[in-house]
Amino acid sequence: QVHLVQSGAEVKKPGTSVKLSCKASGYTFSNYALHWVRQAPGQRFEWMGWSNIGDDNTRYSQDFQGRITISRDTSANTAYMELNSLRSEDMAVYYCARGAAGSIQYFDYWGQGTLVAVSS
Amino acid sequence: SYVLTQPPSVAVAPGKTARITCGGDNIGSKSVHWYHQKPGQAPVLVIFYDSDRPSGIPERFSGSNSGNTATLTISRVEAGDEADYHCQVWDSSSGHWVFGGGTKLTVL
Repeated sequence: QVHLVQSGAEVKKPGTSVKLSCKASGYTFSNYALHWVRQAPGQRFEWMGWSNIGDDNTRYSQDFQGRITISRDTSANTAYMELNSLRSEDMAVYYCARGAAGSIQYFDYWGQGTLVAVSS
Repeated sequence: SYVLTQPPSVAVAPGKTARITCGGDNIGSKSVHWYHQKPGQAPVLVIFYDSDRPSGIPERFSGSNSGNTATLTISRVEAGDEADYHCQVWDSSSGHWVFGGGTKLTVL
């Protein structure tokens, strides 16, 4: 079955960067899009960006443009999300989520989430 | 940007019916998707395209969408249904995926 396994929790200082990973299994990695979504404490889910794994086309939310890079390694079935210039407001749980087959609209599987703490 | 509004909490007794709403401007013209999330766990898709259920989701879960409100209905509520429920749409005008604020379902 489909699994998305994310890397472990991170503690970062303001102004630094974090790079998270999301390893996929149970399906053909290059056939699906992979999104990144975060949830800050007490806040709603916030879509950050996505990668169309097959052609490496990426698109980012304007709220993160210039600070985010999504990449993938198809040989390792792994996607990555790097966020730069971290600030306290970036403290959140970050999720990867698979774009549903045949639909741009929703996510059919999610990773378990990675907690990123930002503190001086 | 498009905004989705959910009640913060809904409480229902076991065996009764829970209805969780998701409001948005003319949301009936969009497709609404629902996820549940239990503490410390990954979100799980429970309804897609307003009323379709993924395999493995009980028939007790249903959805509807019309006008300015989409509704997730959970019939014969069980203790295991206690979770946060989030609605989501794809906003074609912005090209963004948008979520509601989430509703905590409490089973009394």
